[in-house]
Amino acid sequence: GENVEQHPSTLSVQEGDSAVIKCTYSDSASNYFPWYKQELGKGPQLIIDIRSNVGEKKDQRIAVTLNKTAKHFSLHITETQPEDSAVYFCAALNKGQTGANNLFFGTGTRLTVIP
Amino acid sequence: KAGVTQTPRYLIKTRGQQVTLSCSPISGHRSVSWYQQTPGQGLQFLFEYFSETQRNKGNFPGRFSGRQFSNSRSEMNVSTLELGDSALYLCASSLAGAQFFGPGTRLTVL
Repeated sequence: GENVEQHPSTLSVQEGDSAVIKCTYSDSASNYFPWYKQELGKGPQLIIDIRSNVGEKKDQRIAVTLNKTAKHFSLHITETQPEDSAVYFCAALNKGQTGANNLFFGTGTRLTVIP
Repeated sequence: KAGVTQTPRYLIKTRGQQVTLSCSPISGHRSVSWYQQTPGQGLQFLFEYFSETQRNKGNFPGRFSGRQFSNSRSEMNVSTLELGDSALYLCASSLAGAQFFGPGTRLTVL
């Protein structure tokens, strides 16, 4: 099955700086890569996703890049704010012909933005 | 649109008991997936239902089961609870690939 590795496990940045979280995946058939933000006491919130036919996607201060050859993808947050502090998870999925929806998650990155 | 709702939010059970958790997906979403989240194992896929049929299943014992109703609402059941079943159980609904999670049910097994 798919194996997703995520680094770093913890990340502290000064407010206004950028944060980068990296993930690698093992199954070359994976074709959908979402990122989730989870705050304390809440469920994961989808913040951005990318499909394998796209190399980069941006949404305001958040961007995701995908390198299919190297099988890795990254989350970039610019101009970080204290409210960006949370645990971030990457995930991978092979939709395939069955339309299956079982996401394989990384182990999470605890991001702390220091005011 | 209302988001994914899960009930109850918190549950305390003892070993050997069984439990049923409920999930109401976003209106119009027909796929419901269940995940278990623990500090040690992270987020792990349990199973997925689509149009009342189990479409996919993760690597969990048969004590974990689920079902989906004609209105897309889903329930999952865990029988003969073990201490290790203590976790946050998350439900996610999906329409076109993107999965949206509910707040989860925190299950504690004593």
